Amino acid sequence: DAGVTQSPTHLIKTRGQQVTLRCSPKSGHDTVSWYQQALGQGPQFIFQYYEEEERQRGNFPDRFSGHQFPNYSSELNVNALLLGDSALYLCASSLYDRENYGYTFGSGTRLTVV
Amino acid sequence: AQRVTQPEKLLSVFKGAPVELKCNYSYSGSPELFWYVQYSRQRLQLLLRHISRESIKGFTADLNKGETSFHLKKPFAQEEDSAMYYCALLNTGGFKTIFGAGTRLFVKA
Repeated sequence: DAGVTQSPTHLIKTRGQQVTLRCSPKSGHDTVSWYQQALGQGPQFIFQYYEEEERQRGNFPDRFSGHQFPNYSSELNVNALLLGDSALYLCASSLYDRENYGYTFGSGTRLTVV
Repeated sequence: AQRVTQPEKLLSVFKGAPVELKCNYSYSGSPELFWYVQYSRQRLQLLLRHISRESIKGFTADLNKGETSFHLKKPFAQEEDSAMYYCALLNTGGFKTIFGAGTRLFVKA
């Protein structure tokens, strides 16, 4: 089992551009959550997807959007990139109604905005 | 507001010494709490969850509702315990896990 896979691992973008990050959940998991982790900070919740719908959203602007596909994989899109969007983006998968079992995390995508 | 506080950014102990990583939370209701760990060059992974009351790699954590704490403890630290540790809280409805800022544990030989 490959666990949670994220792509790409690293990305450099210019201010104002748009970016798409991808995540495949652990086999058997149906829920995907996205987190942003700035340097020296803990992961900050962006949103969670289940059954192809956004279930809950953190304090992030509408420039951050997502999608979940029928195979449970997910994408995170960020429009109009700002320098402050530079961070590690983590995808975490879990099983619906078993969130108290905890998350399985991917290795993350390191986004640098220049 | 629901919040997780880890007051220490860095904790340094000698091998064989006891270690306690502090975690305090703010939450109304019955919390579900976790400890996650990130070893060097590895992904973030679940260490333990309070609901299972288990001991993983010699670590335990007890929920103290009176003090709203969930401190992580190990009686004898090992060098391989050196890592970044995050305390986390599952919020109402179970849709969102809130993480603390993390504590870096360094175990010296």
